This record gives sequence, C-alpha cells and structure tokens, in this order.
Amino acid sequence: SAVISQKPSRDICQRGTSLTIQCQVDSQVTMMFWYRQQPGQSLTLIATANQGSEATYESGFVIDKFPISRPNLTFSTLTVSNMSPEDSSIYLCSVTSGSSEQYFGPGTRLTVT
Amino acid sequence: AQKVTQAQTEISVVEKEDVTLDCVYETRDTTYYLFWYKQPPSGELVFLIRRNSFDEQNEISGRYSWNFQKSTSSFNFTITASQVVDSAVYFCAIQGAQKLVFGQGTRLTINP
Repeated sequence: SAVISQKPSRDICQRGTSLTIQCQVDSQVTMMFWYRQQPGQSLTLIATANQGSEATYESGFVIDKFPISRPNLTFSTLTVSNMSPEDSSIYLCSVTSGSSEQYFGPGTRLTVT
Repeated sequence: AQKVTQAQTEISVVEKEDVTLDCVYETRDTTYYLFWYKQPPSGELVFLIRRNSFDEQNEISGRYSWNFQKSTSSFNFTITASQVVDSAVYFCAIQGAQKLVFGQGTRLTINP
C-alpha cells in the first residue's frame, strides 16, 4: 500500500483567504484524487489530479475555486480559494496504484471563520 | 450513475454483540469494485476490503466478514464480538472505471 502524507493536518483560516494543501506519496502512483468531507457528511470527489495536464473536475467544482497542481507522480496540491465558512471541511487526498485499491491520506481539517 | 445506500445512519450496540452494517448499491457497469472503509474519530480513512464484482465469495478476516450478493446488489459487513475500538463511521463505496462513489456512512457506537 502507498503511504500518503498531507500538510497541513489542520488549519483555521479567515474568510476571503486561500489555503494550499499538499499531498505527498512515498511511491509513484497512477491516479491522485482530492475529496471533500463536509461536517457529518460523506466524501465527495472534487477532482482527479492529472500529471502534466489540467485536473478533471466533478460537477459542482470549478478550477477557479479549487485549483490543483500535479507536477509529478508523487505530489499534488489543492488550493481552496477565497474561502467562506461553507468551505470548512476535511480535505482528503487519495491515490490508486495498478491494483485499483484506493488509499487515503490522513486529511486536512479546515475551519474557516 | 452509480449509487450506494447505507440505510442505517447510526447503530449502537453493547460490546461483544454481533452487528451487521448494510450496503446496497446501484450500477450499470458489469465490472466494478466494492469497498468498505472505516473512519475512526481521528478522521483518517482506513481501507478494510475491496471486492471485485465477479467474485461473490464471502470473506472473513478475524472478527470481520463480508457478504456480497449480486442478486440483491448488497455488500454487507458484519463485525462479530464487537469491541469498543470498533466505534467509528463505516463507509461502503463502489468504483467503476475510476471514480469512487461513497454511501452516506453508518456511525457505529460500541458501548462497554
């Protein structure tokens, strides 16, 4: 299985600011994904981070609000832009390797005040 | 579109009882994977099992067992002799081509 780390683990941010979350994997992986988990809710896929090209966003999520980078096969960032209290969530990075098993990072717990 | 339904929002049992978490899915794909994840209070998502749609054999891992029935589109999870450490939110999920779709989760509380 892949070992995934995320930074920061948690943050408290002010409305209107932006936060960039980093996801680092200990091995090269095929696919990287970003999920959001709002308080008391299930996980929702934000986008698939593609290496060398633009991310593929799910319905309801846009690049201006959640820009994503993936410069190589082990690293990706998600930025939450112009934050509002509704963005308070846990943001999780996940990866798949050739076996199609999907593993998740420890998450970034974001609170927007 | 794929969908996962976990009808039990919350379950509370006393330690050592057996408990079954239900999962019903919908998909038009002929090939898909079913997953169970555990999310303890600390928040991380722990992978428990992945099942291929062509493999309907039940699986047992220690106190955990899974019952996959394609005829009823169900993939239920049973914990035998539950322990306080089993308290968590459990998510069932389905994956077709790439995207993982989660159910709403079942919050399981094991009382001492």
